[in-house]
Amino acid sequence: NAGVMQNPRHLVRRRGQEARLRCSPMKGHSHVYWYRQLPEEGLKFMVYLQKENIIDESGMPKERFSAEFPKEGPSILRIQQVVRGDSAAYFCASSSQRGDYNEQFFGPGTRLTVL
Amino acid sequence: RKEVEQDPGPFNVPEGATVAFNCTYSNSASQSFFWYRQDCRKEPKLLMSVYSSGNEDGRFTAQLNRASQYISLLIRDSKLSDSATYLCVVTTSGTYKYIFGTGTRLKVLA
Repeated sequence: NAGVMQNPRHLVRRRGQEARLRCSPMKGHSHVYWYRQLPEEGLKFMVYLQKENIIDESGMPKERFSAEFPKEGPSILRIQQVVRGDSAAYFCASSSQRGDYNEQFFGPGTRLTVL
Repeated sequence: RKEVEQDPGPFNVPEGATVAFNCTYSNSASQSFFWYRQDCRKEPKLLMSVYSSGNEDGRFTAQLNRASQYISLLIRDSKLSDSATYLCVVTTSGTYKYIFGTGTRLKVLA
């Protein structure tokens, strides 16, 4: 049973380009969460999605960031017009039920570097 | 004040030592507590959930003190492989967001 999968594992973009990060949850999981970890900092919640629905995006920056979890395919975190401050590790997690009492399983992360 | 606070360390201990970490949280409505382990540049992995009555898993013991709003992790007989960053995680009643501490770095020395 494959765990949470993320790709790419490493992504390099120049300022102003777009970054697309993909996350496939564990089999049977329908709840997806995105977290960002800046260098030397803790993980910060960004967004919580279920299939075709954004449940909570309170941690997402108001501009340039968007997320989706379509009926078919992986969840996508999209960052438009990237800036150097977007350089971070982006982790996706999934759970079988809403993840307050239930463990969230994390993917290996995508490390975004903005030049 | 941060919602979840941890001493960043590093804690440098010899093999076989006992080491303890504390984590304080500010929201009294916090309801679920976890310790995750994160190895360098890798994803967090659940070490253990923390229950009100305290719980033990092999060399690891976790405790919760609601009155003082902190959780603790005790590691006995430290191994070199225990070297990692230990992340305190808290969720608040009615939400599902994991709130992470910045982590405590542990280095177990031969």
